[in-house]
Amino acid sequence: GNSVTQMEGPVTLSEEAFLTINCTYTATGYPSLFWYVQYPGEGLQLLLKATKADDKGSNKGFEATYRKETTSFHLEKGSVQVSDSAVYFCALSRTGTASKLTFGTGTRLQVTL
Amino acid sequence: DAGVTQSPTHLIKTRGQQVTLRCSPISGHKSVSWYQQVLGQGPQFIFQYYEKEERGRGNFPDRFSARQFPNYSSELNVNALLLGDSALYLCASSLVAAGDTQYFGPGTRLTVL
Repeated sequence: GNSVTQMEGPVTLSEEAFLTINCTYTATGYPSLFWYVQYPGEGLQLLLKATKADDKGSNKGFEATYRKETTSFHLEKGSVQVSDSAVYFCALSRTGTASKLTFGTGTRLQVTL
Repeated sequence: DAGVTQSPTHLIKTRGQQVTLRCSPISGHKSVSWYQQVLGQGPQFIFQYYEKEERGRGNFPDRFSARQFPNYSSELNVNALLLGDSALYLCASSLVAAGDTQYFGPGTRLTVL
């Protein structure tokens, strides 16, 4: 079946540090890949997505590249801010008759001054 | 435009009771999906509805049921509540059933005592 594996957190960084959160997936065919962010006490917000191999999704300084050869979709940001502190979820969706999202367990990011 | 809305925000029930959660999708979206997020984990897919028909069902017992109304809003019902049903219940909407980005509401926090 489909699955998503994320690096365990929490990840603690100083402001302006470089961020990488690793995500790998297992799926048949060509899934779409997503990063969602969850701020404390809130629902999920779509951060970025990529729908085919070698696509790069980007938003708010975050980037992730769909790597089919390594089945990965690592999230990166060059300079994190305190306001980026949240839980980040990697997810995939298989194209078919439904759009079921399969999520990883989430990675908590804490950014300090 | 308003995003996905859910009600109530919080709910406390006791074991054995029944609960109904409500969701209104983004205007123009015809698909609604439900997810359960247990504390510290990623969301798990429960149901997807499109044009009032069930399009997908996750690995949840028959105590969980849902329906979609002609205005595309949706209800999730859970019968015979167990302590393990305590979670954040998230609703997501999308334009169509498959191959489309899902947008999440803020969730309903259910606590079962």
